[in-house]
Amino acid sequence: TQLLEQSPQFLSIQEGENLTVYCNSSSVFSSLQWYRQEPGEGPVLLVTVVTGGEVKKLKRLTFQFGDARKDSSLHITAAQPGDTGLYLCAGAPPYGGATNKLIFGTGTLLAVQP
Amino acid sequence: EPEVTQTPSHQVTQMGQEVILRCVPISNHLYFYWYRQILGQKVEFLVSFYNNEISEKSEIFDDQFSVERPDGSNFTLKIRSTKLEDSAMYFCASRADYNSPLHFGNGTRLTVT
Repeated sequence: TQLLEQSPQFLSIQEGENLTVYCNSSSVFSSLQWYRQEPGEGPVLLVTVVTGGEVKKLKRLTFQFGDARKDSSLHITAAQPGDTGLYLCAGAPPYGGATNKLIFGTGTLLAVQP
Repeated sequence: EPEVTQTPSHQVTQMGQEVILRCVPISNHLYFYWYRQILGQKVEFLVSFYNNEISEKSEIFDDQFSVERPDGSNFTLKIRSTKLEDSAMYFCASRADYNSPLHFGNGTRLTVT
């Protein structure tokens, strides 16, 4: 069974601080997605990383896929209250079969205080 | 921008009752999924549907669950006899093709009493 562990589980920081969220597994994934979920809503895709070592930037968010494609990180620079939410990583197993389903991580709940 | 829509947003039912959760995936999408998220837990895969049939299902998706695409637009999840532990947010998702991004609906919160 492929598992994705995220750390930390909860993070409360002040506006303007930087933070990093980690997504780790002992398994290889063909790609990894990061989602953000707000209360009462479904996950919204932020980014997909595919190549080992890949780095993608989305404004103040930087995503990295590990060289071995087993882990990923999300770094937020100068966090703002609007960044508050549940951040989820989700991996696509290398042999996706008929469906290419995603395996979701345990989630990181971020609260940015003004 | 096209989106996945789910109804109802909240469903309360008594244990043992049947419920049907409805989804309208994005119109040109070919792959359809149901996931669920029990409060405080991670999002879990239930079932995927492609080419008018189930292509994969998880251990959670037992004989009490079924899915259907009765016409060209709706995709439904039926739970035949609900249990307390079925209480969760149920998310429908769709994607255009095998490798394209997965789009989620806003979910149906199912509460079984």
